[in-house]
Amino acid sequence: DVKVTQSSRYLVKRTGEKVFLECVQDMDHENMFWYRQDPGLGLRLIYFSYDVKMKEKGDIPEGYSVSREKKERFSLILESASTNQTSMYLCASSLQGFGGELFFGEGSRLTVL
Amino acid sequence: AQSVTQLDSHVSVSEGTPVLLRCNYSSSYSPSLFWYVQHPNKGLQLLLKYTSAATLVKGINGFEAEFKKSETSFHLTKPSAHMSDAAEYFCVVRENSGYSTLTFGKGTMLLVSP
Repeated sequence: DVKVTQSSRYLVKRTGEKVFLECVQDMDHENMFWYRQDPGLGLRLIYFSYDVKMKEKGDIPEGYSVSREKKERFSLILESASTNQTSMYLCASSLQGFGGELFFGEGSRLTVL
Repeated sequence: AQSVTQLDSHVSVSEGTPVLLRCNYSSSYSPSLFWYVQHPNKGLQLLLKYTSAATLVKGINGFEAEFKKSETSFHLTKPSAHMSDAAEYFCVVRENSGYSTLTFGKGTMLLVSP
């Protein structure tokens, strides 16, 4: 069965802390994505990667960075967390090309105090 | 540019009655369209997709959607709601032009009462 695993389901951090959200997929997918989900706003794309060590900005990259050192792993980094980054973060992967099905992890709910 | 509008933030139905979730899209090129479902505390799962083949698309769990180019719509329907259909549903568009990612609608919460 296909699987996208997000290492932390719930995190609580303080303002100014550095936060790492990890995502691993076992499907050998080329593309990986980080989305942010907020009530009434749907999903907004933060960053995506179509190959190892490649990254592209999405719609809301400010305050975030990413790392993809291995094909199966895509990390989202908040260099200095702020309260407006309190949100649900969803990782997804897909095969090569951008019209295919996205497979999602179960999400990481981050609260920044 | 592409965009998608889900016309209802919440839809309430009784079990056994039809479901209609409305979605309109905008795209400069021929689009691919998707519906995803998210159950509480879960990630999103693909229900169905339209990619320029048949305009009536059948998905999982008895859902279907019809692509209507003249109306720029892709509404999701199901003849008879089940309690397990209660979830949030997202309409998604992608322009079939080069390096285009997906644009998600803001979601419609489907409530099913006994």
